[in-house]
Amino acid sequence: NAGVTQTPKFQVLKTGQSMTLQCAQDMNHEYMSWYRQDPGMGLRLIHYSVGAGITDQGEVPNGYNVSRSTTEDFPLRLLSAAPSQTSVYFCASSYSFPSSYEQYFGPGTRLTVT
Amino acid sequence: AQRVTQPEKLLSVFKGAPVELKCNYSYSGSPELFWYVQYSRQRLQLLLRHISRESIKGFTADLNKGETSFHLKKPFAQEEDSAMYYCALYNFNKFYFGSGTKLNVKP
Repeated sequence: NAGVTQTPKFQVLKTGQSMTLQCAQDMNHEYMSWYRQDPGMGLRLIHYSVGAGITDQGEVPNGYNVSRSTTEDFPLRLLSAAPSQTSVYFCASSYSFPSSYEQYFGPGTRLTVT
Repeated sequence: AQRVTQPEKLLSVFKGAPVELKCNYSYSGSPELFWYVQYSRQRLQLLLRHISRESIKGFTADLNKGETSFHLKKPFAQEEDSAMYYCALYNFNKFYFGSGTKLNVKP
């Protein structure tokens, strides 16, 4: 199993550009989530999904969209990048409710918006 | 609103010394609390959860509802414990993480 994979590893965007961060898992996990990690702030939940076709907002959803058309994939879209979105982004997945099942994290994507 | 506070950004101890990483939370219900760890060049991973009342790699954490704390403890630190530690609270499909404490265990 590859576990949780994220692409790209690094990305530089100009303000106003859009892009999609990819996340995939091959463990047949129902729950998937996106976090951003900023210095001094820990991880903050952006969006999450409890299964294919179901998504919901986390703590900091503004400026981001998600969709879950398959169990395996959970892409994160930045609609119009802003410097405030410079961060490290982590995707995570768990078999079911993440309070009962361990969350597995991806390696992260480091995004810089200039 | 849920909030997790880790007051120490950096904690340095010598090998063999006891370690306590502090975590305080604000939550009105019965919390589900976790500790996650990120070793250098590795992914974030679960260390332990309060509901399991387990000891992992010599670490334990006790939930104190009166003090709203979930401190992580280890009686004798090892160099391989050096890492970033995050306390997290779970509520209805969402995790709330603290800002993290970097533990540095000196030889």
